[in-house]
Amino acid sequence: DADVTQTPRNRITKTGKRIMLECSQTKGHDRMYWYRQDPGLGLQLIYYSFDVKDINKGEISDGYSVSRQAQAKFSLSLESAIPNQTALYFCATSDPVGTEELFFGEGSRLTVL
Amino acid sequence: AQSVTQLDSQVPVFEEAPVELRCNYSSSVSVYLFWYVQYPNQGLQLLLKYLSGSTLVKGINGFEAEFNKSQTSFHLRKPSVHISDTAEYFCAVRNNNAGNMLTFGGGTRLMVKP
Repeated sequence: DADVTQTPRNRITKTGKRIMLECSQTKGHDRMYWYRQDPGLGLQLIYYSFDVKDINKGEISDGYSVSRQAQAKFSLSLESAIPNQTALYFCATSDPVGTEELFFGEGSRLTVL
Repeated sequence: AQSVTQLDSQVPVFEEAPVELRCNYSSSVSVYLFWYVQYPNQGLQLLLKYLSGSTLVKGINGFEAEFNKSQTSFHLRKPSVHISDTAEYFCAVRNNNAGNMLTFGGGTRLMVKP
């Protein structure tokens, strides 16, 4: 089983719908992240959380919200999806002791029509 | 603010040929440097990292990278590529101040041809 699991892996939705992407991890890491990947832009940080009570905005947080339900769970919501939120979304974790190496899930591909 | 530039969006190369994927960064402070690889339909995984010490860093699958502070570069190399190296490669930089996040480059798609 994967250490970082994302659901759903693929989702097609319509403009204006609310969407939630979920992430769970078994690595025991405190730090969790949501990234968005667009061709040619690399990965951009949406939100990050250093522990259950700590939530921080990243570079591109507008239009997104997050919830850290437990150490192992970090979900990303799009309250009212729009077509330019069509992208590949990655959840990642890291261990605060060390070099902040990121461990990624396999991604959630979201298409907003 | 830091930024990362990967100069080539795509690099086609024949199998068993050498390859270099270029990465330059801008930062006013000392940094940690990373290369991640993304195979088709998978998440990213760490290929190698530079934290301190020797400027030549060896990673998995025969890849290596050299940190050049004066040129603010961290180019990735492999002397002989395989078909299985076909993937997207991302360079990433983090200022080694507490709380700073990774900044990723735009990625380079390595296409190994038989």
